[in-house]
Amino acid sequence: QVHLVQSWAEVKKPGASVKVSCKASGYTFTGYHIHWVRQAPGQGLEWMGRINPNSGGTNFAQKFQARVTMTTDTYFSTAYMELSRLGFDDTGVYYCARVERGSFFYWGQGTLVSVSS
Amino acid sequence: SYVLTQPPSVSVAPGKTARITCGGNNIGSTSVHWYQQKPGQAPLLVIYYDSDRPSGIPERFSGSNSGNTATLTIFRVEAGDEADYYCQVSDSSSDHVVFGGGTKLTVL
Repeated sequence: QVHLVQSWAEVKKPGASVKVSCKASGYTFTGYHIHWVRQAPGQGLEWMGRINPNSGGTNFAQKFQARVTMTTDTYFSTAYMELSRLGFDDTGVYYCARVERGSFFYWGQGTLVSVSS
Repeated sequence: SYVLTQPPSVSVAPGKTARITCGGNNIGSTSVHWYQQKPGQAPLLVIYYDSDRPSGIPERFSGSNSGNTATLTIFRVEAGDEADYYCQVSDSSSDHVVFGGGTKLTVL
């Protein structure tokens, strides 16, 4: 059974960076891309980008291109999303998700990132 | 970039039919997926590839896609269907994922 388990909530100051992890289990980690989706408080879903755990190749939404880094550790079947130069509007819940049948079949539980001075 | 347009809100009485639309330029030529999200929870896939249902999703949930509009239809709406619903596609030109703005379904 596929599971994506994310790291705990984080509180960061403006200008800092945050690194969120997503540990996968129940399938071959290198066989499927991991995507990251953000949801600001009271707002909709926003796609940030994806990483191919097999090649390390990435594809980012233009909005995050300059500030986001996505990596994987295939030994631990874990994906990471790091967002730098945080602003107050980066507060939100960050989800990892895995595609199957063209859609986000599997989601992590979400990680709340709060940016506060 | 590709834009998906959803109505902000839809209201329906219990037992009636709810229809949530997702508009996009020639959206009928691509696959649309739909997610249900309840407060404090991660999104849940309810329809993929326009009209397929994952196991465990009631048959009351149905999808269609043609022309410039995709539609999620929920028959015999129940109080438990009250949630936010999002449509999603993959933009073939950029290979990026796009979500609609979301529709809040209220069961009266």
